[in-house]
Amino acid sequence: DQQVKQNSPSLSVQEGRISILNCDYTNSMFDYFLWYKKYPAEGPTFLISISSIKDKNEDGRFTVFLNKSAKHLSLHIVPSQPGDSAVYFCAASVDTNAGKSTFGDGTTLTVKP
Amino acid sequence: ETGVTQSPTHLIKTRGQQVTLRCSSQSGHNTVSWYQQALGQGPQFIFQYYREEENGRGNFPPRFSGLQFPNYSSELNVNALELDDSALYLCASSSMTGRNTEAFFGQGTRLTVV
Repeated sequence: DQQVKQNSPSLSVQEGRISILNCDYTNSMFDYFLWYKKYPAEGPTFLISISSIKDKNEDGRFTVFLNKSAKHLSLHIVPSQPGDSAVYFCAASVDTNAGKSTFGDGTTLTVKP
Repeated sequence: ETGVTQSPTHLIKTRGQQVTLRCSSQSGHNTVSWYQQALGQGPQFIFQYYREEENGRGNFPPRFSGLQFPNYSSELNVNALELDDSALYLCASSSMTGRNTEAFFGQGTRLTVV
């Protein structure tokens, strides 16, 4: 039973356009959500997070939206750049313990010049 | 500030053998977590260590065990290796003091069991 799901294995967008990556979760105990970015041969790198008391968090080109009633979150990247091409993982945790997270299977984003 | 380092980067073992993977946590971090990432999947939480004690465990059998040392570095031990243990093993460090709001990952150890 996968508690965090990223239903799109891949996404391709044109440089300068918006990238929207989606994530669904089933466990109501999750209260903290994170997005990580992973390049080949490297470990995941933290990108942005959101607490369940918020519905939006913004950091530069990256914005995460949380819809608790739908148990859905999304990551928006605007504008998308070729360097954003990577695997993006959605993760969720309880009690803001980022080290004890449940991850989705990732979405591979390709940004075309 | 030093990052999270893992050793070795690659390892090949035979089924039934035992393996030890090592992780040095980021400076100032007192918590280490271990994850297993199979091909095409996301990282799966194995366990977390805080102040040298296990602080939570995922759905992994007892042959997966760990240690955390006083300097907060950590080891992951896997006994009686099986073919399905072939994966990328990731170590992540974080801090339980203050805001534990992100984890910093090492580059991983690629384990192949033949």
